Amino acid sequence: SQQGEEDPQALSIQEGENATMNCSYKTSINNLQWYRQNSGRGLVHLILIRSNEREKHSGRLRVTLDTSKKSSSLLITASRAADTASYFCATDTQGETSGSRLTFGEGTQLTVNP
Amino acid sequence: KAGVTQTPRYLIKTRGQQVTLSCSPISGHRSVSWYQQTPGQGLQFLFEYFSETQRNKGNFPGRFSGRQFSNSRSEMNVSTLELGDSALYLCASSLRQGSGNTIYFGEGSWLTVV
Repeated sequence: SQQGEEDPQALSIQEGENATMNCSYKTSINNLQWYRQNSGRGLVHLILIRSNEREKHSGRLRVTLDTSKKSSSLLITASRAADTASYFCATDTQGETSGSRLTFGEGTQLTVNP
Repeated sequence: KAGVTQTPRYLIKTRGQQVTLSCSPISGHRSVSWYQQTPGQGLQFLFEYFSETQRNKGNFPGRFSGRQFSNSRSEMNVSTLELGDSALYLCASSLRQGSGNTIYFGEGSWLTVV
């Protein structure tokens, strides 16, 4: 079953604009990771944010986490055509010694038009 | 260093056959997990191995099995293939078991069952 839900399901923007994707989840988490997937390819890791963190940055990416609302957002600034992909959030609820098991949202399909 | 490597990338099998997929984790990574991705069900966790032991298992029938070798390489096997097993099978690795570890994915193996 899917732990997370992503919003919107699809997003189309122009190059240079910012793109914001949201993820909500249902149970308490240890961390949340964002991934990008180009069509037919594997998942590329973007950012990991721990449950005790509120915001992280990596280049043009900014991730926020609100554990009280059980939600996270991914902001891509100054988007490029190459950012066109599906973006997934994945939550990890396992303990430190009990392995890891990611539960994925349904993903947001981002299209950046040149 | 090399990423997660999966072989074969593409394969076609007939209903009733079995298939073995192979995964080489990032050098030094000891945790390997497998995921199935389909249009209908999205990304679903299959199982995770650490130190040759299965640590976590998802909700898949017993036809899906896996193993990990002493060099951390992993294989997954699907027996008595069904049409619904057609999917992208993704292998992932992380340095250690447990939450908080960044999980890196391979390019996947595309399985088509006819």
